[in-house]
Amino acid sequence: SYVLTQPPSVSVAPGRTASITCGGANIGGKTVHWYQQKAGQAPLLVIYYDTDRPSGIPDRFSAFTSGNTATLTIATVEPGDEADYFCQVWNSGSPHPLVFGGGTKLTVL
Amino acid sequence: EVQLVESGGGLVKPGGSLRLSCVASGFSFSAYSMAWVRQAPGKGLEWVSSISNLHYPTYYGESVTGRFIISRDNAKNSLYLQMNSLRGEDTAVYFCARADCGGNCYLPFDYWGRGTLVSVSS
Repeated sequence: SYVLTQPPSVSVAPGRTASITCGGANIGGKTVHWYQQKAGQAPLLVIYYDTDRPSGIPDRFSAFTSGNTATLTIATVEPGDEADYFCQVWNSGSPHPLVFGGGTKLTVL
Repeated sequence: EVQLVESGGGLVKPGGSLRLSCVASGFSFSAYSMAWVRQAPGKGLEWVSSISNLHYPTYYGESVTGRFIISRDNAKNSLYLQMNSLRGEDTAVYFCARADCGGNCYLPFDYWGRGTLVSVSS
């Protein structure tokens, strides 16, 4: 089955840039979506179709995908960005096609 | 305003069954694919199942295939998850999610409910 690998944790100081990776075989050939989940809340879509932001998501959030890695970048990190972040793809042709990465806990120092 | 409200969670013994419901409002339910996603305590998100707005096809995660059944009633704006042969590892918060598309399209999830807790224990 298709596997998406994320680092368990990333730490960053306020005002700096955070990068969260999502590794998967030829993920560059798939469409990647990213979700933010704050403690005790439902997930929130922050990036869809690799690079697009839903309305209301600040442009500090961006993403790109190339080869075997997708990367979510959060510029000028704020304390309110502290959350778990999950990548997601649809692996067409698989009997179990929807896959989430294991999630990355972003800690704002 | 789009709203998804789950219900039906609770405590059930191993081997038992439970049926979850999700009532949707604020959008044309019959136009969108829907899904169930779960999250075990302290763990990440795990996709459970997806269903097209047209009722078929349906897809299931590997750990629930053969035990869970997803369905929908477009006339009642409702999504369901019939869970059978429940195991301890099925203990989780179960979220209902809307896919931002219909037909043979299942991602991304643009709206989520707040979830309902299922606990499987003797």
